[in-house]
Amino acid sequence: EAGVAQSPRYKIIEKRQSVAFWCNPISGHATLYWYQQILGQGPKLLIQFQNNGVVDDSQLPKDRFSAERLKGVDSTLKIQPAKLEDSAVYLCASSQFHSPLHFGNGTRLTVT
Amino acid sequence: AQSVSQHNHHVILSEAASLELGCNYSYGGTVNLFWYVQYPGQHLQLLLKYFSGDPLVKGIKGFEAEFIKSKFSFNLRKPSVQWSDTAEYFCAVNAENYGQNFVFGPGTRLSVLP
Repeated sequence: EAGVAQSPRYKIIEKRQSVAFWCNPISGHATLYWYQQILGQGPKLLIQFQNNGVVDDSQLPKDRFSAERLKGVDSTLKIQPAKLEDSAVYLCASSQFHSPLHFGNGTRLTVT
Repeated sequence: AQSVSQHNHHVILSEAASLELGCNYSYGGTVNLFWYVQYPGQHLQLLLKYFSGDPLVKGIKGFEAEFIKSKFSFNLRKPSVQWSDTAEYFCAVNAENYGQNFVFGPGTRLSVLP
C-alpha cells in the first residue's frame, strides 16, 4: 500500500511569514493526525481528525496554527505568522480504528 | 492526562551487546502500547505493538517488549544489537478511554559501535 505522503520535505521561512504543509493519508484511513517534533523530543500531537471532523485540537496554538481536512481525505496545516520556536519537524500520520499509526516522512521547518 | 517516560536519553552499546530500553506510562485503564523506531533520515516506523493477550510481544528485526501492567511498563529488548540498530526509539501509548489519541515518550537515542 502507498504510505502517507507529505510535502514539502523542507521549508525555510523568516519569522512572521506564513507556511502551509500538505498531507495525503493512506487510502481508507479515517483518522489523521498532525504532530510537531522538536529536535530531541518525542512527537507532540497538534490536532487529530476523524474523517473531516476535529477530535482533539487541545494542544494546537490556535492563534497562529490552523488545520483543515476537507472531504475527509487530504489535510493542510498552516502557521501564520511563524515564530522562531515553530522550528521543528511536522509529522502527519494516519490510522484505522484500533490500529497503529503510519507516519509520513515529515516536513522540516526552519524559521529564521 | 496520559504521559510516557523513557528512562534513558542516549544509550551507547557495542555490537552483540544486549539492549533494554525502559518505558513507563501513567494511565490506569486499558492501554495499547507501541514502540516506534526512527532510523537516521527516515520516517517513524512501527517496531512492535501490544493490544491484548500475551504480554511478551515480538516485533521486527529481533526486537521484543514485555508489558508489565503492575509496573505500568513496556520495556523494549534485543539480545544482540547490530550497528544497523542505531536509531531513535520512541515508546507510545494509546489509552482506550482517550479514543485514538497516541502519546509519545521523549525518545531514546541508541548508538551501536561497530
